[in-house]
Amino acid sequence: AQTVTQSQPEMSVQEAETVTLSCTYDTSENNYYLFWYKQPPSRQMILVIRQEAYKQQNATENRFSVNFQKAAKSFSLKISDSQLGDTAMYFCAFYTGANSKLTFGKGITLSVRP
Amino acid sequence: DVKVTQSSRYLVKRTGEKVFLECVQDMDHENMFWYRQDPGLGLRLIYFSYDVKMKEKGDIPEGYSVSREKKERFSLILESASTNQTSMYLCASSPPRGHEQYFGPGTRLTVT
Repeated sequence: AQTVTQSQPEMSVQEAETVTLSCTYDTSENNYYLFWYKQPPSRQMILVIRQEAYKQQNATENRFSVNFQKAAKSFSLKISDSQLGDTAMYFCAFYTGANSKLTFGKGITLSVRP
Repeated sequence: DVKVTQSSRYLVKRTGEKVFLECVQDMDHENMFWYRQDPGLGLRLIYFSYDVKMKEKGDIPEGYSVSREKKERFSLILESASTNQTSMYLCASSPPRGHEQYFGPGTRLTVT
């Protein structure tokens, strides 16, 4: 069974600073996908970034980038130049075609301080 | 853009009531999902469906059932609501063999 672990329940960062959210996972599969989702307060969950396990290059989306370490089964999210609108709950998620389901971590609450 | 809508943002029901939560998506996605979200527990999958009239149990199906009579609509049913079903319920959809899921705004259900 796949598991996703987000060990930090909450973090805080000063506006314009950089923050890294950590995520580890466990699987015996070789082909899979990893995601970071963002859930702003009282708003819809949206996809931030995705990474295919077969790609060595780390995914980047504007201020958001990942550090994907396949051997270590680690998938951290780096947010550069943090903005107040980045305040949200962030979920790491794992997908494999073996069961076609997303497995989510417990989430981390990120607060960006003005 | 994919749009997933849920029938209510907030719902208050009494113990023992039958509760229907509706979810509609407008992108012709085959796959639809129901999750509940609780503090400290993340998202847990209740049921999912790969096609009309098909359903599969997720990780926590006890106390719930689902219905998918039309491709765009996926309903979650609480046959007899209990206080431990007070939670945020999220619906999601994805295309066939799709890896990303698109979420609705959620329904915060309180059972008193």
